[in-house]
Amino acid sequence: GAGVSQSPRYKVAKRGQDVALRCDPISGHVSLFWYQQALGQGPEFLTYFQNEAQLDKSGLPSDRFFAERPEGSVSTLKIQRTQQEDSAVYLCASSFPSVSANTGELFFGEGSRLTVL
Amino acid sequence: AQSVSQHNHHVILSEAASLELGCNYSYGGTVNLFWYVQYPGQHLQLLLKYFSGDPLVKGIKGFEAEFIKSKFSFNLRKPSVQWSDTAEYFCAVNDLLEYGNKLVFGAGTILRVKS
Repeated sequence: GAGVSQSPRYKVAKRGQDVALRCDPISGHVSLFWYQQALGQGPEFLTYFQNEAQLDKSGLPSDRFFAERPEGSVSTLKIQRTQQEDSAVYLCASSFPSVSANTGELFFGEGSRLTVL
Repeated sequence: AQSVSQHNHHVILSEAASLELGCNYSYGGTVNLFWYVQYPGQHLQLLLKYFSGDPLVKGIKGFEAEFIKSKFSFNLRKPSVQWSDTAEYFCAVNDLLEYGNKLVFGAGTILRVKS
């Protein structure tokens, strides 16, 4: 499709389990973002890639969170040893990279809803 | 740290009523401003954006927003809402210098329009 695709849409994990969330950005978009949206809150920035380079990971809440984008396209957000507080919707977004080509607009996927029991 | 504040978390209106959703941000530099909307069961999508120029910005579906620099505000308005405007609305700020390309979002306002 033409939009940002995320999978799985829903994931239930037992506490302590590892999970991996996948994002397929829009073709040609070199910037990719992960956001975390807790219930009743706005999206909170987690990390940012430009191509395969992770330029900003300041929003990752702990070292249990890890993101990669090895070939500059598909990205995976991995959460190790999940905790109940990790329950949230994880949003992926893509956009263009440079100021000159950058409208600033992010194109979002539908999100992956993680529930940790 | 930069922050975005949305004044109302829940708003209920009748159809044809006028809408104004407040948004204030905390950064004094040059910013780009956005309103995103999330309809039930759908992904976040751009409603309108302000980069420069005319501070009154018009977006899709009859929405508009006014950037008032002196008040650090970017309020969203619509003269007459429809039932289909029921959604959650997020204000966001993008500071290209300090934060690279990322958006900082407010907590959102849930709008319910009664038919």
